[in-house]
Amino acid sequence: DQQVKQNSPSLSVQEGRISILNCDYTNSMFDYFLWYKKYPAEGPTFLISISSIKDKNEDGRFTVFLNKSAKHLSLHIVPSQPGDSAVYFCAASAQGGSEKLVFGKGMKLTVNP
Amino acid sequence: GAVVSQHPSRVICKSGTSVKIECRSLDFQATTMFWYRQFPKQSLMLMATSNEGSKATYEQGVEKDKFLINHASLTLSTLTVTSAHPEDSSFYICSANILGTSGGAETQYFGPGTRLLVL
Repeated sequence: DQQVKQNSPSLSVQEGRISILNCDYTNSMFDYFLWYKKYPAEGPTFLISISSIKDKNEDGRFTVFLNKSAKHLSLHIVPSQPGDSAVYFCAASAQGGSEKLVFGKGMKLTVNP
Repeated sequence: GAVVSQHPSRVICKSGTSVKIECRSLDFQATTMFWYRQFPKQSLMLMATSNEGSKATYEQGVEKDKFLINHASLTLSTLTVTSAHPEDSSFYICSANILGTSGGAETQYFGPGTRLLVL
């Protein structure tokens, strides 16, 4: 049973445009959500997070939006850069992030110059 | 930044043999280390959580006698896959929380992973 779903396996965008990565979850106990970025042969690195008490969190070019009623979150990257090309994982946790991380399958983003 | 290393990065072994994977926090001490497994085109799945000096806590469905975890120090945890079989072929990745932090999800630092292939 996939509790965190990233339904699109890949996305390709042009440099300078917006990248939108989507994530859905099913467990109502999740109250903390994170995005990780992974390059080949490296471990995932933390990118940005959001608590369920917020509906938006912004950090530079990265913004995460949370729609609790729809159990949906999205990561926006604006403007996209070739260096953003990587696999992005959505993850969720309960108890404010202190419970175990539950990951989606990941989505490969390619930003073309 | 906090660095977590894993060794080996890739291992091929024969069915029935045991394989040990090391996870080290290089520039920090870790309160807790986590072991994940990722099958092709699947999610990272938590296998177990280990704290230094105590027994690991395994997730449901993970055989503790097959996946032995030893967390001998604040900088080293090992995962031993005993009597490995082809179905154990997977990508194994560890992470660690920095000692003194709240232990929340944001303070988990991941290693680069170990690719295991059992023939």
